[in-house]
Amino acid sequence: QVQLQESGPGLVEPSAALSLTCTVSGGSMSGYYWSWIRQIRQPPGKGLEWLGYVYYSGSTNYNPSLKSRVTISVDTSKNQFSLKLSSVTAADTAVYYCARAPGYASGWSHDSWGQGILVTVSS
Amino acid sequence: EIVLTQFPGTLSLSPGHRATLSCRASQNVDSRYLAWYQQKPGQAPRLLIYGASNRATGIPDRFSGSGSGTDFTLTISRVEPEDFALYYCQQYAGSPLTFGQGTKVEIK
Repeated sequence: QVQLQESGPGLVEPSAALSLTCTVSGGSMSGYYWSWIRQIRQPPGKGLEWLGYVYYSGSTNYNPSLKSRVTISVDTSKNQFSLKLSSVTAADTAVYYCARAPGYASGWSHDSWGQGILVTVSS
Repeated sequence: EIVLTQFPGTLSLSPGHRATLSCRASQNVDSRYLAWYQQKPGQAPRLLIYGASNRATGIPDRFSGSGSGTDFTLTISRVEPEDFALYYCQQYAGSPLTFGQGTKVEIK
């Protein structure tokens, strides 16, 4: 059974870049789409926001609302994919999840998720 | 961007009762690209339903999904104690992929 694990700093200074890595174990990255999704920790709800995905081949698709700040890359030799979010502000404080999507066959639903990592933007 | 609106915001009911959760899209969504997730406190979301009506691996048959066009429904036929959680719908009929704001199912 595939497992995903996020890693990276839990605290990032405003205006700096946020960098996270997701390590995939128990399965191959081939044939799948690999997403970053975040959950903002503020009332009234803790909504889910898709940041973008990278296909195992390296092609990407980003959420236009963040497109100019987001870069997602993949390294299949290490079974990892990464997120870089530039020029962060307090509004980027969230739990960041990495997730797997089989793609067209499953309607781009996400069938495996990491446990999530809380990233706080603060000086 | 396709906006998904979930209602009710909170559903209060007793174990053993039926739960009906709704997800309405701001424009038509191909049912192949509508999914439902369950999230418990401190945990990542878990896929329940994909393609509007297909249960994911290991999901009990008390969970069912239906709908088409702009209106989709997740039904829990008899709510078990472990089903009290947050539920989200997700679409990828149009980019960007979006989620609803969630429905909380709580114990009455």
